[in-house]
Amino acid sequence: DSGVTQTPKHLITATGQRVTLRCSPRSGDLSVYWYQQSLDQGLQFLIQYYNGEERAKGNILERFSAQQFPDLHSELNLSSLELGDSALYFCASSVQGLSYTFGSGTRLTVV
Amino acid sequence: DAKTTQPPSMDCAEGRAANLPCNHSTISGNEYVYWYRQIHSQGPQYIIHGLKNNETNEMASLIITEDRKSSTLILPHATLRDTAVYYCIVRVFDNAGNMLTFGGGTRLMVKP
Repeated sequence: DSGVTQTPKHLITATGQRVTLRCSPRSGDLSVYWYQQSLDQGLQFLIQYYNGEERAKGNILERFSAQQFPDLHSELNLSSLELGDSALYFCASSVQGLSYTFGSGTRLTVV
Repeated sequence: DAKTTQPPSMDCAEGRAANLPCNHSTISGNEYVYWYRQIHSQGPQYIIHGLKNNETNEMASLIITEDRKSSTLILPHATLRDTAVYYCIVRVFDNAGNMLTFGGGTRLMVKP
């Protein structure tokens, strides 16, 4: 257990639907990062939150959004899903940029 | 962040040392070298990081050349469970903790 908890582990949904992925960071970590990894592709940075505020944006589609709540957990919302959104979605957290701890990911399958 | 170059794949015999190279010729003085690995479909795992001195922990050793333009991650006694993609990342350490940018990495295959 890395200390970063992601739920659900697996998600199967239909095209056009909306889903929410949840991440609880490691205790004490203020930063949360979301990454997408499509089949046999690299890890693509999506978005970062730091203590409730958006800090950085990467290649995140407009159909995707995220937020970080006062208790520091974060949610990634994916809407109008397409087949190409099928991927592993990882959340990571860090404290002061020292080491970054990743969760075990959510595998999203869009059918 | 400075660009890194890693071989796309390497093989290593079980029980032998695995030496994974990384070139970062444009590294600047305040950039650290980080190593992460990703075992099939799992979340990336932190291995080690360093600035200019060699570093060792329970997982691996990091050797950084004196000019800091390249480094080597050493797994002293590779096991089958070390089969993974290894990522070398160079970035500035900052308190805000900006994101890690992953390249292609090196796919290490440990063989019996």
